Amino acid sequence: GAVVSQHPSRVICKSGTSVKIECRSLDFQATTMFWYRQFPKQSLMLMATSNEGSKATYEQGVEKDKFLINHASLTLSTLTVTSAHPEDSSFYICSAEDSELGTQYFGPGTRLTVL
Amino acid sequence: AQSVTQLGSHVSVSEGALVLLRCNYSSSVPPYLFWYVQYPNQGLQLLLKYTSAATLVKGINGFEAEFKKSETSFHLTKPSAHMSDAAEYFCAVSVAGGYQKVTFGTGTKLQVIP
Repeated sequence: GAVVSQHPSRVICKSGTSVKIECRSLDFQATTMFWYRQFPKQSLMLMATSNEGSKATYEQGVEKDKFLINHASLTLSTLTVTSAHPEDSSFYICSAEDSELGTQYFGPGTRLTVL
Repeated sequence: AQSVTQLGSHVSVSEGALVLLRCNYSSSVPPYLFWYVQYPNQGLQLLLKYTSAATLVKGINGFEAEFKKSETSFHLTKPSAHMSDAAEYFCAVSVAGGYQKVTFGTGTKLQVIP
């Protein structure tokens, strides 16, 4: 099946710093990518939809100025958590849509810990 | 709007026993339905999906699910549980057309008892 990678897999940062997470579709082009957040023992919550070459669409309650999304190419989307705080600590998962197959493929996730 | 409800946040079965994880959906238009599995500290892996073709869908690792429109259900089954099946399972729904905005259920943690 299609492969989606995320980098880094784990990151620990100090409060107030910014962290960038990369999501790449390795063997297909993804016009649309999605960013999810998963709190411990909870389901995935969609944060935003990332469209190549245009602005991301954020879900209600998600601060677009805090969670910056850039989808500069058909294989790469980035999520930058700006001025991170401990409450931003979470598991962030991206997915990429293979439009030909009509399926989303998920990355392995990034564990963010803000001290 | 679309949603899924997973009945039972925790399910325990004995090794070799039938696995049944329940999922009911709500959608104003014909849905696409998915089951994903998540192992600890990992991303999601697609088990199977229903996209308006055959109502009985076979997936990986011996899992299958049946779409029942009259019951708005998409329950996941496996005839014989294996220890390696212990994981969190998520049912999800999306609407076809354009990009697929997927809505996830709250998940069911499957425990397999030796």
